[in-house]
Parts: sequence; structure tokens; C-alpha cells
Amino acid sequence: NAGVTQTPKFQVLKTGQSMTLQCAQDMNHEYMSWYRQDPGMGLRLIHYSVGAGITDQGEVPNGYNVSRSTTEDFPLRLLSAAPSQTSVYFCASRRQGNEKLFFGSGTQLSVL
Amino acid sequence: DQQVKQNSPSLSVQEGRISILNCDYTNSMFDYFLWYKKYPAEGPTFLISISSIKDKNEDGRFTVFLNKSAKHLSLHIVPSQPGDSAVYFCAATVLNSGGYQKVTFGTGTKLQVIP
Repeated sequence: NAGVTQTPKFQVLKTGQSMTLQCAQDMNHEYMSWYRQDPGMGLRLIHYSVGAGITDQGEVPNGYNVSRSTTEDFPLRLLSAAPSQTSVYFCASRRQGNEKLFFGSGTQLSVL
Repeated sequence: DQQVKQNSPSLSVQEGRISILNCDYTNSMFDYFLWYKKYPAEGPTFLISISSIKDKNEDGRFTVFLNKSAKHLSLHIVPSQPGDSAVYFCAATVLNSGGYQKVTFGTGTKLQVIP
């Protein structure tokens, strides 16, 4: 029972590089989302999706792109990494109509 | 504008005593409140929740109290155990115009239970 799987666990990028954080869930959840956690800031929503083909912006979407081609996968793309994107990123999913979120184990990203 | 606030960044409690974690909110339209627990290098995990129509919910050693008039909720852990040492996030949800539940998280409180 994998739940929400995130890869990679750690990543170091140089300013201007691009990369994709992967997220997959096997619970058939309609809703998927990406959060970033920064000291003193809690968890802030970057982007979310309520189903395949449907995405929308959260609180801090700038610098990030998402797509949702399948129910299972919700990748987060950094097109041109900046030091301000150094953070811990969490993917989360839930069943529509249920408030309980299931989180992945996180990706620690450093942008130099 | 921080709609969900956890004003205590950290809390230390002796093993066996009660831990009380507090959370304040500003949006009276929040309809569901949740607590998540996070260990280092892991993702948050759901702990307990409460609907806005209730004032108390209990699950074993964990009880959440909601005071709507004060826009305040608290998580009580009795008795506290060393394994409870973690960061606790308060969260609140509200149904937005798009028909989905928008979740807002607090900044977290780091609990240390001292053996």
C-alpha cells in the first residue's frame, strides 16, 4: 500500500536549471496538490488539481507549472530554478468530499 | 494575511503530563478543522479533525476542542509520550467558489516531550 510517492527525496540545482518533481498516488484520489514548507511559514499551497485535465493555482504558484494527465500522477515543474525556491516540497492527495489529506514524504530542494 | 495562526512555535512538556497546542483563526466560514503531525524527514500525517458544528472530538489520547465564538481550537494530548515529539500543524477548510475544499495551514508548533 504505497499511498503517495514522491521522487526524488533530495535535489540540488543551480540557478536557472529546470527540473520536475514527481508525485504519484495509488488511492484513486481525485484531488492532488503541491505544498512547500518553509521555516516560520507553515505549508503553503502551490498548485492543485481536482481531476485529470483540471489544475488551478494556489497561494504561491509563481515559478511552477503543473499538469494532470492521469488520476495517479501530478508532476511539479520548475522551469528556471531560483534560490527563493529552496524549500521542502510535499505532494498530497485526498478523496473528493473528504477533508483528510495524505502526504508524500517530501522532496528537499536546494537551489544554489 | 495569515488566516490560521499557531502563535507558539515550540512547547516542552514532561512525559505523562498534558500537552495543549493552540490554534486561532480569522475566517468564520471555515467548516472543518484538522490537526496533522509531522516527524523530521517525513510528510505530515493526519491526526484528528473536528467539524465546525461540534465543540469536541476525542480519539484515544487526543482531544480537539473548538470554540467558535473565540475562533480558537486546541489539541490536548493526555498523557504525553516521548513519541509525541513532533511538529503539529493546525489546518482549516472552507468550500470555495469552485466547489472544492480549500485548506489553509498554520505555521506549526514543535512539541518536545521530555522523558
